[in-house]
Amino acid sequence: GIQVEQSPPDLILQEGANSTLRCNFSDSVNNLQWFHQNPWGQLINLFYIPSGTKQNGRLSATTVATERYSLLYISSSQTTDSGVYFCAVVRGSQGNLIFGKGTKLSVKP
Amino acid sequence: DGGITQSPKYLFRKEGQNVTLSCEQNLNHDAMYWYRQDPGQGLRLIYYSQIVNDFQKGDIAEGYSVSREKKESFPLTVTSAQKNPTAFYLCASSGTVQETQYFGPGTRLLVL
Repeated sequence: GIQVEQSPPDLILQEGANSTLRCNFSDSVNNLQWFHQNPWGQLINLFYIPSGTKQNGRLSATTVATERYSLLYISSSQTTDSGVYFCAVVRGSQGNLIFGKGTKLSVKP
Repeated sequence: DGGITQSPKYLFRKEGQNVTLSCEQNLNHDAMYWYRQDPGQGLRLIYYSQIVNDFQKGDIAEGYSVSREKKESFPLTVTSAQKNPTAFYLCASSGTVQETQYFGPGTRLLVL
């Protein structure tokens, strides 16, 4: 089956710093989503981005489908950005998401 | 207020007991999903349903059962056959299987 790898597994930042999270996938996909899981476990949708670039405030994402990777940019990080960021892909017609293991982000004040 | 609700927030299971986790959505979505998350891991698919009265096994369906009698409801039963049920369970829905999935707040299941 398709493999989804995220890097780095852990990231510690000082408040105000910028960061880039990476997601590599092993085969072509129909859908790619980025999520933020907060400390209470809630998964929050960040982007639906099978290809191209999108921006939402301090966050932006780029997916290069032909090269099988996606990047999530966080600028001017805040302590509330802490949590785990997941990349998930859909392949085929079933629709189920295949998740990476996530990047755990800690933003220090 | 539209969204996905899951109950209970915490659930305790005794050995040999079946328990049922509730998932309800009022988004008028056709597709619904159940995922399991173990500590430090990503989510894995248990079951999914593309339409009412139809559902399919995911990657880790053994020891679980589901039903989809109503569009808005997709309950998950953790049976006694599931030998390692302690995990965080998340329900999701999407308009169709190719659209964005939205997640509920989750249920934490613990074995006594």
